[in-house]
Amino acid sequence: AQTVTQSQPEMSVQEAETVTLSCTYDTSESDYYLFWYKQPPSRQMILVIRQEAYKQQNATENRFSVNFQKAAKSFSLKISDSQLGDAAMYFCAYRSAKKGAQKLVFGQGTRLTINP
Amino acid sequence: DSGVTQTPKHLITATGQRVTLRCSPRSGDLSVYWYQQSLDQGLQFLIHYYNGEERAKGNILERFSAQQFPDLHSELNLSSLELGDSALYFCASSVDPVSEQYFGPGTRLTVT
Repeated sequence: AQTVTQSQPEMSVQEAETVTLSCTYDTSESDYYLFWYKQPPSRQMILVIRQEAYKQQNATENRFSVNFQKAAKSFSLKISDSQLGDAAMYFCAYRSAKKGAQKLVFGQGTRLTINP
Repeated sequence: DSGVTQTPKHLITATGQRVTLRCSPRSGDLSVYWYQQSLDQGLQFLIHYYNGEERAKGNILERFSAQQFPDLHSELNLSSLELGDSALYFCASSVDPVSEQYFGPGTRLTVT
């Protein structure tokens, strides 16, 4: 079974600075997808970014980018120019590409605080 | 707003009772997923439906059941409720099983 580990329960960063959230995963599969979801105090789960395992190029969405290291099974999220609205729980998630196995497997989350 | 709706937002009920949580997926989405978020277990997958058919089950208790109707909305039924069932229940939808999953706002269930 696949597992996802987020080793940083909490992180904090100064507004306008850059922060990196770590995620590692364990799988024997070669084809899969990785995601970062954001959960603000409203509790809504918001998709931040997605990475396909077969793509070598790291995904980028505006101020959010990932560092995907397939061999190391590492998938970190970098947030540049941090804003107060970025304060939230961030969850790393894994999804198999196998048919019938499309559930998301989540890490335990990292609580990100933005200091003004 | 993801386009996924869930009702009710909050539900308070007593142990032993039965409740039904409802989810309407985004327009055009055929896949519906249910997840449970609790303090001790984190976010856990419960069950996946695609176009009315059950596709996958996670660690869903036998007291829990779900279905997806012809209009694609889904219901999660929780019976013989226990204190430990208190959690946030999310529904997510996607166009097909390989596309991104978009989450609804969740239903907060409190069992007293």
